[in-house]
Amino acid sequence: EAQVTQNPRYLITVTGKKLTVTCSQNMNHEYMSWYRQDPGLGLRQIYYSMNVEVTDKGDVPEGYKVSRKEKRNFPLILESPSPNQTSLYFCASRGTGGYQPQHFGDGTRLSIL
Amino acid sequence: SQELEQSPQSLIVQEGKNLTINCTSSKTLYGLYWYKQKYGEGLIFLMMLQKGGEEKSHEKITAKLDEKKQQSSLHITASQPSHAGIYLCGADVPPGSNYQLIWGAGTKLIIKP
Repeated sequence: EAQVTQNPRYLITVTGKKLTVTCSQNMNHEYMSWYRQDPGLGLRQIYYSMNVEVTDKGDVPEGYKVSRKEKRNFPLILESPSPNQTSLYFCASRGTGGYQPQHFGDGTRLSIL
Repeated sequence: SQELEQSPQSLIVQEGKNLTINCTSSKTLYGLYWYKQKYGEGLIFLMMLQKGGEEKSHEKITAKLDEKKQQSSLHITASQPSHAGIYLCGADVPPGSNYQLIWGAGTKLIIKP
């Protein structure tokens, strides 16, 4: 089954404790992206990647890092999480042949205390 | 920057009634995508529209893209509790955009029994 898998689904942690949210897709998509979703602010893009070793900033990259060492994986790293990074996070992937929809993971609800 | 405006922001509809959600841009849309999100969960792809005047249906949901490709509507006929959730539209910006999508802020749909 074609899917984007995020882990963990839920995480409660404390300020300053480094964490990684993993994202993996099995559709051989070149494009992958991270979003955060906050009430009243909609989907905001954090980082995206056009292919292995190619990443670029989205609209709200501060406080986040990403890497794309393999095509299928695109982890999101919070080196020193802060309470304002409490949010619902989504990973998405997309094929690049013509116009295609993005496929989303189930989301990671992150609470930073 | 180009934006997608969704209306209404929220909608409360009596079960069995029809409803329409709109997604509007000031510029041409090259690919228009409708998604549904159950509260706090992942985004589920509903339909994609590309051509001016195009219309697609799935079960009781019909999506249309106007001839000028600047407005799309999502129409639900005989609404049911299962239709409740947040509906988002996303769109491709002009070519050369690195496959980025822009997003509407979402429409929250509540179905009253």
